[in-house]
Amino acid sequence: GAGVSQSPSNKVTEKGKDVELRCDPISGHTALYWYRQSLGQGLEFLIYFQGNSAPDKSGLPSDRFSAERTGGSVSTLTIQRTQQEDSAVYLCASSLDRVATNEKLFFGSGTQLSVL
Amino acid sequence: KQEVTQIPAALSVPEGENLVLNCSFTDSAIYNLQWFRQDPGKGLTSLLLIQSSQREQTSGRLNASLDKSSGRSTLYIAASQPGDSATYLCAVVGGAQKLVFGQGTRLTINP
Repeated sequence: GAGVSQSPSNKVTEKGKDVELRCDPISGHTALYWYRQSLGQGLEFLIYFQGNSAPDKSGLPSDRFSAERTGGSVSTLTIQRTQQEDSAVYLCASSLDRVATNEKLFFGSGTQLSVL
Repeated sequence: KQEVTQIPAALSVPEGENLVLNCSFTDSAIYNLQWFRQDPGKGLTSLLLIQSSQREQTSGRLNASLDKSSGRSTLYIAASQPGDSATYLCAVVGGAQKLVFGQGTRLTINP
């Protein structure tokens, strides 16, 4: 596709349920990021994948959060036993190479997660 | 720990004015600084990327400057238009290979 695609665009779930959020990066992009944007807050880094290297999971807020990237392409962010404080917009972004090599980051439109 | 601050948090100006958005960061050891635009309910769109060795970048009516030693960047928008209304975010890239974002400036251009 032409850009970063995220699905679903909106997800409403009940507290305690598990959810999966999907990200399709731009074809050929080796770097993939997940960020979270809560109402009135800035973007919070969650996890970073670069090629075949071990992901940087330093931003995941708890062990209820996990993510994987299969075949160096599609990524899934999983939140187990969702809590109301998990409600936020989850944004995925990809770049051709590491952002430190001055590659621009391209964002998807995000998944709005609402936990009731 | 890198911290990024954007001032003002919100700005409202009449159409046609030139304006400046400010971004400051605490750790000058950065690879680059990026400015993004976010429209309501949408993701972020990259506007300009300034490498650490550069002083400024221009794209159309937008000009971004970088003073790495003082930890400051500005985004200058010339001849503002209602379509420029959005939230503008700056972000810096350091050794951890991830962007650290400011809270953004919500810009409204009044016709």
